[in-house]
Order: sequence, then C-alpha cells, then structure tokens
Amino acid sequence: NAGVMQNPRHLVRRRGQEARLRCSPMKGHSHVYWYRQLPEEGLKFMVYLQKENIIDESGMPKERFSAEFPKEGPSILRIQQVVRGDSAAYFCASSPTGVEQYFGPGTRLTVT
Amino acid sequence: GENVEQHPSTLSVQEGDSAVIKCTYSDSASNYFPWYKQELGKRPQLIIDIRSNVGEKKDQRIAVTLNKTAKHFSLHITETQPEDSAVYFCAPLGEYGNKLVFGAGTILRVKS
Repeated sequence: NAGVMQNPRHLVRRRGQEARLRCSPMKGHSHVYWYRQLPEEGLKFMVYLQKENIIDESGMPKERFSAEFPKEGPSILRIQQVVRGDSAAYFCASSPTGVEQYFGPGTRLTVT
Repeated sequence: GENVEQHPSTLSVQEGDSAVIKCTYSDSASNYFPWYKQELGKRPQLIIDIRSNVGEKKDQRIAVTLNKTAKHFSLHITETQPEDSAVYFCAPLGEYGNKLVFGAGTILRVKS
C-alpha cells in the first residue's frame, strides 16, 4: 500500500504566479487534510476535505487560497498570486477514519 | 481554539538514557492524542497515539501516558539511540475532531 503521495516535491514560483499542489491519499482513505509548516515551526491546519466536500476550511487564508478533492483524481491546493510569505512546506495527510492521519512527503514552495 | 504547549523545547540525552516530553492541551473535548517524529526535511511520521479511554500505551521503546483530568500527555523513549534524534510534535485532535493542533515541537538530540 503506497503512502500518501504529493507532487511536486519542490516548486519555485515568482511573485504573482499561481501554485498548484497535488495530493493523492493512501488507498482507501477518503479524508484529506492540508497543513502548512514554516521553517522551525509546527504544522498549522489549513483545510479538511472529503470527496467533493470541504468539511473545515477554518485555517485557510480568506483570499488567494482554495482547495478541492474531486470525485476522481488527487486533492489540489491552489494558491493564486503567490507572495514571498507563502514560501513554506505544505503537507497533505490522509485518514481512513477521520482520526489518525498519515502525512505525505510535502511540497516545498519557494516564492522568488 | 485549542492551545497546545510542549516542554521542553530542546532535550539532549546520552545514548541509552530515557527521554520524556510533555504536552499540555486546553480542549477538554479532545479524545485522540498522537505523537509525530520529524527528521530534517522529511514528513511527520506517526510514532504512537492514544485514545481518551486508555491511560497508557507502549510500543517497544516508546510509550505514551495520558492524564485527561490534568489535560496532558507525555512521550517516553527508553534506551535512546542516535537515530531517535529528531523533532517530536504532539498534536491532539481538536475542535470537533476535524484537525490536529500541533505543538511547537521538541528537538531531541541523542549523544553517542
């Protein structure tokens, strides 16, 4: 059973461009979460999704950020018009039950 | 929202000694208490977890103890080895069970 997959692993964007981060949950997991980690800090919750539904987006910035988990395909975290402050590691986690969460390798976003 | 604190922030031990990291939380409704290990540049890895109906759980050299009344839980690592060196995060499941709330992390260094 492959683990949680994320791509790309590294992403460089110029200010003002769009960033698209992808997450494929573990097989059989219908719960997906996105977290952001700034250097030398803990992870901060962004959004929780189940297939085609956003369950909790209380950690998402109100502007420029969006997330989806379509019926087919990976979950996508989209950041429009990136700014330097968006530079961080973005981790996706999946869960079979909505309790224990298993993390992917992360996408390291650098905004230049 | 949930407030989570970890102590100590850094911990240095000699190889073979024990290490204990404590986590306090504020949300009395929390009922799931995991510990994650994160090596530099890697994903957070779930190493042990406990549910609120259990006071202690052990898995080889690691154990977690929970005091729900006092709202704290602790990670215990015995016979530490250099490969235990990493950052450890507690992350109780908070607010409606929708997200993990991470502590700031404890840097554990095991000296050989």
